[in-house]
Amino acid sequence: GESVGLHLPTLSVQEGDNSIINCAYSNSASDYFIWYKQESGKGPQFIIDIRSNMDKRQGQRVTVLLNKTVKHLSLQIAATQPGDSAVYFCAVRTGGGNKLTFGTGTQLKVEL
Amino acid sequence: NAGVTQTPKFQVLKTGQSMTLQCAQDMNHNSMYWYRQDPGMGLRLIYYSASEGTTDKGEVPNGYNVSRLNKREFSLRLESAAPSQTSVYFCASSGTGASEAFFGQGTRLTVV
Repeated sequence: GESVGLHLPTLSVQEGDNSIINCAYSNSASDYFIWYKQESGKGPQFIIDIRSNMDKRQGQRVTVLLNKTVKHLSLQIAATQPGDSAVYFCAVRTGGGNKLTFGTGTQLKVEL
Repeated sequence: NAGVTQTPKFQVLKTGQSMTLQCAQDMNHNSMYWYRQDPGMGLRLIYYSASEGTTDKGEVPNGYNVSRLNKREFSLRLESAAPSQTSVYFCASSGTGASEAFFGQGTRLTVV
């Protein structure tokens, strides 16, 4: 099976600083890696994804890095804002189909 | 644009009662999913439906049944609720082959 873990349950950063959220996965056959953001009382919302044949992908203020050698991915948020406060989940797709295995989540707290 | 709509938003059941959680999506997606979210455990897949007319077990299917009524609707049924099923339930949908899943707002279920 697949296991996905996040390194820190909580991360506190100052407004304007960069945030880095980490995730580890177990199955080298995983082909898609996705980051979701979940605000309080809402469902998870897609942020960015990366395919296994890439090692970096950038979006608006976010960058995802994939290191397949050590089965690790990270989400970097530039110039963190109060609106970035949420729980962030990594999810991994393995073996075709659309089933995702989620990590346990990191609570990002932005301090003013 | 409604996206993924779940009903009800909140529910309290007594042990042994049954209920059905409803989910509908208006994005013409083939794949639909039911997840449960418990503190410290991320999201775990209960059942999914890759296309209309098909359903498959996920990671934690025991105690649940599903019905893919048509392409739009995917319901989750608890035949005899147990306190261990107290959780937040999320329905999601995605296009075939797409990594991005769209989530509903969730149903907070308490079994007493």
